Amino acid sequence: DIVMTQSPDSLAVSLGERATINCKSSQSVLYSSDNKNYLAWYQQKPGQPPKLLIYWASTRESGVPDRFSGSGSGTDFTLTISSLQAEDVAVYYCQQYYSTPFTFGPGTKVDIK
Amino acid sequence: QVQLVESGGGVVQPGRSLRLSCAASGFTFSSNGMHWVRQAPDKGLEWVAVISNDGRDKYYADSVKGRFTISRDNSKNTLYLQMNSLSAADTAVYYCAKGKGFIDYWGQGTLVTASS
Repeated sequence: DIVMTQSPDSLAVSLGERATINCKSSQSVLYSSDNKNYLAWYQQKPGQPPKLLIYWASTRESGVPDRFSGSGSGTDFTLTISSLQAEDVAVYYCQQYYSTPFTFGPGTKVDIK
Repeated sequence: QVQLVESGGGVVQPGRSLRLSCAASGFTFSSNGMHWVRQAPDKGLEWVAVISNDGRDKYYADSVKGRFTISRDNSKNTLYLQMNSLSAADTAVYYCAKGKGFIDYWGQGTLVTASS
């Protein structure tokens, strides 16, 4: 099974500042036949189901603000919030869908400093 | 708009069974893979199972393999999760979710509590 890890566990960032979350997979999630990274990012606010932000490691879901961006390839990935807004307070999860069982990272909690 | 509405959750004694349902609308159900994902109280997300659009292919997390069964009825636009031999470790909010790999829509979830 592919194990997903995230760092840091939590972070506090001032409004308007950059927030960076890292995600690492225990094996590559880059599929050579289509050159795609099978990695997604989700945002979960308290009391709500998760929301898809990014898929294929860097493709922003429709309607997601462009301050959210995803990067990385192979085993190392990053979610960046370029200018943190109050409504971005949430827990963020990465997920690999390269192979079953699909697995999520443990989550990173983002707060306002 | 896409709607996923779970039902069937509740309190169940350890060792007993429960079946969850998910009514889907707003998209072509028979063309989409579907997942179950769960979240224990104050914990992270745990992927449970996925089923292909035609129901032929099913995959499970190791923690539920042999106890849980995912299924679907495309004529009723409904997804199911049959859960047997429940234990306290299965206590969680269970989300029905749309997608083949990544998940683009989630239901609001239904709470399952295994407790005596």
